[in-house]
Amino acid sequence: DTGVSQDPRHKITKRGQNVTFRCDPISEHNRLYWYRQTLGQGPEFLTYFQNEAQLEKSRLLSDRFSAERPKGSFSTLEIQRTEQGDSAMYLCASSLTNRIGNTIYFGEGSWLTVV
Amino acid sequence: SQQGEEDPQALSIQEGENATMNCSYKTSINNLQWYRQNSGRGLVHLILIRSNEREKHSGRLRVTLDTSKKSSSLLITASRAADTASYFCATDEPGANSKLTFGKGITLSVRP
Repeated sequence: DTGVSQDPRHKITKRGQNVTFRCDPISEHNRLYWYRQTLGQGPEFLTYFQNEAQLEKSRLLSDRFSAERPKGSFSTLEIQRTEQGDSAMYLCASSLTNRIGNTIYFGEGSWLTVV
Repeated sequence: SQQGEEDPQALSIQEGENATMNCSYKTSINNLQWYRQNSGRGLVHLILIRSNEREKHSGRLRVTLDTSKKSSSLLITASRAADTASYFCATDEPGANSKLTFGKGITLSVRP
């Protein structure tokens, strides 16, 4: 399977703990996106990378959230001092941007439950 | 913020019937993409339609785009129980660097 892969698929953590999610994009895709989705809602943009550079962050991304994409390949999303409101599915997506109108491919998501 | 608004919010049909889902948006777009999401799973890309296109087909899917009305529709013909899922439209706006803005989605139930 050469799609976008995410790990772990599910994470249950106690409030106040730190969690990290990993995303492996489709090989050679230069753009990588993180979205968050809560029940009954559509995905909401968090941040994106062009190669290793983080080019935009949503105001949804508080100081407790940090994302990296070293070497422009895989990416990690870390949430520090988790709160119950962080419970959601975190979706990673990637695309190859060489012209307008590129398909963006999503992974299966990482479910976070903060108890 | 969410730009797209899908209509209806929920749709229940019998297997073999056609399902039509609508999406309206507010700003100009580069393209509009439709995705499917099965319960608890990730998003599966269905079709992309560019702003200069009016209609596209892919298998049992037909998508139309009316930029003057800022709306799109997704038609699934001869529906199957396996089409049961949530469907989202997402817009790619100029200057947004392919960052998609999603609606809240439509829940489609296809009864066998």
